[in-house]
Amino acid sequence: DIQMTQSPSSLSASVGDRVTITCRASQAVNSALAWYQQKPGKAPKLLVYAASRLESGVPSRFSGSGSGTDYTLSISSLQPEDFATYYCEQSYSTPQTFGQGTKVELK
Amino acid sequence: QAQLVQSGAEVKKPGASVKFSCKASGYTFTSYFVHWVRQAPGQGLEWMGLINPSDGNTGYAQMFQGRVTMTRDTSTSTVSMELSSLRFEDTAVYYCARRSMRFYSGLDVWGQGTTVTVSS
Repeated sequence: DIQMTQSPSSLSASVGDRVTITCRASQAVNSALAWYQQKPGKAPKLLVYAASRLESGVPSRFSGSGSGTDYTLSISSLQPEDFATYYCEQSYSTPQTFGQGTKVELK
Repeated sequence: QAQLVQSGAEVKKPGASVKFSCKASGYTFTSYFVHWVRQAPGQGLEWMGLINPSDGNTGYAQMFQGRVTMTRDTSTSTVSMELSSLRFEDTAVYYCARRSMRFYSGLDVWGQGTTVTVSS
């Protein structure tokens, strides 16, 4: 199985900050990498797929990048509604696997 | 708009089985894989498996092999998942979600989740 390791596990930030979350795969996933946002009590929401493609309707302050084993989700200017937990997921091979999550909290 | 609607909450005893349903609407049912993902209380997301509604082919995570069965009914655009031999640690929210058959797409539509509580 491909292991997905996110860092950091949590971070504190202020509105307007730039935030970067990293996801490292235990082997190359060929950009078959998605990012999700989850708020308490809600289903996850797709933000980015194919490593860098923004899902329709997602604000442009979100962006994804990376290749091979290393991927990044960036939020250019954190908004109040962005405080949530973020997960990466690889769909390159079965079983598909998720990172452990990064919780973004208000500083 | 595309939607997945899941069945209601369940409370089960250890050793019992539970069957979930996930009804699709607003899109061509056979054009998207349906995946199942669960989330234990306070924990992260765990992929369980997928089904291709077009041909019924399935793929399961190793840890659920032998305990999980996914099926589909194309007449009602519904996917079902049965989990047997329930344990306390199966207490979780179970989500269905769809993924396009294009390469490298994400899980773009999710059900609302079904809570299963395993308690004696």
